[in-house]
Amino acid sequence: QKEVEQDPGPLSVPEGAIVSLNCTYSNSAFQYFMWYRQYSRKGPELLMYTYSSGNKEDGRFTAQVDKSSKYISLFIRDSQPSDSATYLCAMKKETNAGKSTFGDGTTLTVKP
Amino acid sequence: DVKVTQSSRYLVKRTGEKVFLECVQDMDHENMFWYRQDPGLGLRLIYFSYDVKMKEKGDIPEGYSVSREKKERFSLILESASTNQTSMYLCASSLAASGRVKETQYFGPGTRLLVL
Repeated sequence: QKEVEQDPGPLSVPEGAIVSLNCTYSNSAFQYFMWYRQYSRKGPELLMYTYSSGNKEDGRFTAQVDKSSKYISLFIRDSQPSDSATYLCAMKKETNAGKSTFGDGTTLTVKP
Repeated sequence: DVKVTQSSRYLVKRTGEKVFLECVQDMDHENMFWYRQDPGLGLRLIYFSYDVKMKEKGDIPEGYSVSREKKERFSLILESASTNQTSMYLCASSLAASGRVKETQYFGPGTRLLVL
């Protein structure tokens, strides 16, 4: 069983929709939770970074971590065609010296 | 702006060839990583280096080796390329950080390798 499972998608939504992207994990040692965005033919880039449980908001993006359920989510409000990309969740342990464990990614298409 | 560059965007090699993939970062980062990315399998860590001449195996090191002679450069070597090594290879770097300090991995654009 993988340590990190991500809803596989693909996901297709109309412009303006609220999007929810989700990951579950099995290892309670994960303390740092990240979301990366990857456009086609590019490398991933960090979108959101949270430590432990709670919510973090940045513009139209909200990252939510529920450590009791071992569940993280990324919400995108008022989605735009420019949000069309693959979204990867990633997690890191406190003592992991930089190594992150990634989900497989969810490909999102926002249709105008 | 952090820049991570990879030597080639596309590469075609034959089975059995020795293949070198180079990665260079310009931000004096301690940590460097090599991943491969395949549909349905996500991003998998091949090797990791946290300092010059230091390396650590990731999840799928078989068939690969790495070299880090200088801090800014991390090379991935396929000793004898095989068709199952056809993939997208991504290099990343990050600043070594402890505690709750945000530690971002910066990725290069990737190299699409096709082994025939």
